Amino acid sequence: GDSVTQTEGLVTLTEGLPVMLNCTYQTIYSNPFLFWYVQHLNESPRLLLKSFTDNKRTEHQGFHATLHKSSSSFHLQKSSAQLSDSALYYCALSERINTGNYKYVFGAGTRLKVIA
Amino acid sequence: DMKVTQMPRYLIKRMGENVLLECGQDMSHETMYWYRQDPGLGLQLIYISYDVDSNSEGDIPKGYRVSRKKREHFSLILDSAKTNQTSVYFCASSLVRVGNQAPLFGEGTRLSVL
Repeated sequence: GDSVTQTEGLVTLTEGLPVMLNCTYQTIYSNPFLFWYVQHLNESPRLLLKSFTDNKRTEHQGFHATLHKSSSSFHLQKSSAQLSDSALYYCALSERINTGNYKYVFGAGTRLKVIA
Repeated sequence: DMKVTQMPRYLIKRMGENVLLECGQDMSHETMYWYRQDPGLGLQLIYISYDVDSNSEGDIPKGYRVSRKKREHFSLILDSAKTNQTSVYFCASSLVRVGNQAPLFGEGTRLSVL
């Protein structure tokens, strides 16, 4: 089946520095749908941004990502980290099971900790 | 207001007891999911339901079963719970059977099996 690989474990950044969380995926489907979710402490995951267009930058709430089918990547970036960005980030891929049915495959998650 | 509601939010059970986790949504979403979340493993799909009485196993279905008798309601059942089923369980739903509709998650149920 499909799979998603993210930057492992914990990423610690000083406030104001750029953020980059890696996400690569494997799928046999030529038109994958990719997502980033963010989960703050004691909350549920919520959609941050999504993309299905190759080489097009998608932005939301200061974060951006570009789907690159050539390298099977969908890295999450932000120019300047804020303390409030500390959270668990999931990259996800929708996998086509059969006609009309999909399931969503999540990576293991990357915990971002921003320090002053 | 679009929302996925899970009950209960916290649950403590003894090993061998039966567990029922409930999930509801008010958006008439066709597809609903149950995931469990464990540190370092991310969100793992237990079961997926494409509509009433149309359920499929996810990646880790062993030890679980589900029930969906109404479109807006999806239950996760643990028959004779085990300690390794201690986890946070998330229910999610999505609008239609297309891959670009990101699931909306409920608040989660934190289950401890002692």
